[in-house]
Amino acid sequence: GENVEQHPSTLSVQEGDSAVIKCTYSDSASNYFPWYKQELGKRPQLIIDIRSNVGEKKDQRIAVTLNKTAKHFSLHITETQPEDSAVYFCAATLYNNNDMRFGAGTRLTVKP
Amino acid sequence: NAGVTQTPKFQVLKTGQSMTLQCAQDMNHNSMYWYRQDPGMGLRLIYYSASEGTTDKGEVPNGYNVSRLNKREFSLRLESAAPSQTSVYFCASSEVSRGGETQYFGPGTRLLVL
Repeated sequence: GENVEQHPSTLSVQEGDSAVIKCTYSDSASNYFPWYKQELGKRPQLIIDIRSNVGEKKDQRIAVTLNKTAKHFSLHITETQPEDSAVYFCAATLYNNNDMRFGAGTRLTVKP
Repeated sequence: NAGVTQTPKFQVLKTGQSMTLQCAQDMNHNSMYWYRQDPGMGLRLIYYSASEGTTDKGEVPNGYNVSRLNKREFSLRLESAAPSQTSVYFCASSEVSRGGETQYFGPGTRLLVL
C-alpha cells in the first residue's frame, strides 16, 4: 500500500516568514494529494489539494507543488500569521481509491 | 447542516469491555470513514464504506468492526477493548463513492482504555 513520509515534524517560524512542509509518497499511481490543517483539539480540515495533472496550485497565501517524477509534494505558506499555527497533514491516494494514507503531521508554530 | 457528528465525545473503558462509537452525516455523502489518531502517527484508516451496504478494511482494521446502518450512519465497534486502542477516533465522509475527494471530519471521540 501507499506510504507517505512528512518532514519536518515540527517547524517554528517568525510571523511574516514563509513555511514549507514536504511529503514523499511511494506509490507512483497515486494522483490525489490533499493537505489538512488541524488546530489544537479540533478536527482536521482540508485547506488545499492537488491532482496529478497539475504541478502547482495556489489559494491566497497557500500553495502546493507536485513533482510526480520525484514522488514528492510540498505545502508553502507565505506571510505566516499566528493563526496559521496548527498541525498540518499531507495525504496521498489514487483518485478512485478510498484508502487514503496520511503523513505523520507537522506542528507549525508561528511566533508573533 | 450539522455536518459530521460523533458520539460520545469522551469514553473510558476497562480492558475487555465493548463499546460502539456512533457517527452520522447530514450531507448526503456516499462514502464514510473511520480513522484513529495517535501522537506522532497521523491519521490511520480503520475501515471505510464507499456506499450504503458496503464496508472495506483500511490500514489498521484488527480489533474493530463496522456497520453502515444506512446512508447517514456509520458505527465503529470495539468488541473487547485493549489499552492499545486508546486513541482519538475520527469519523469522516466524502461526497463520492470512489474516493479521491475532500473528506469532512467529525469532532472526534477520545477513548481511554485502562
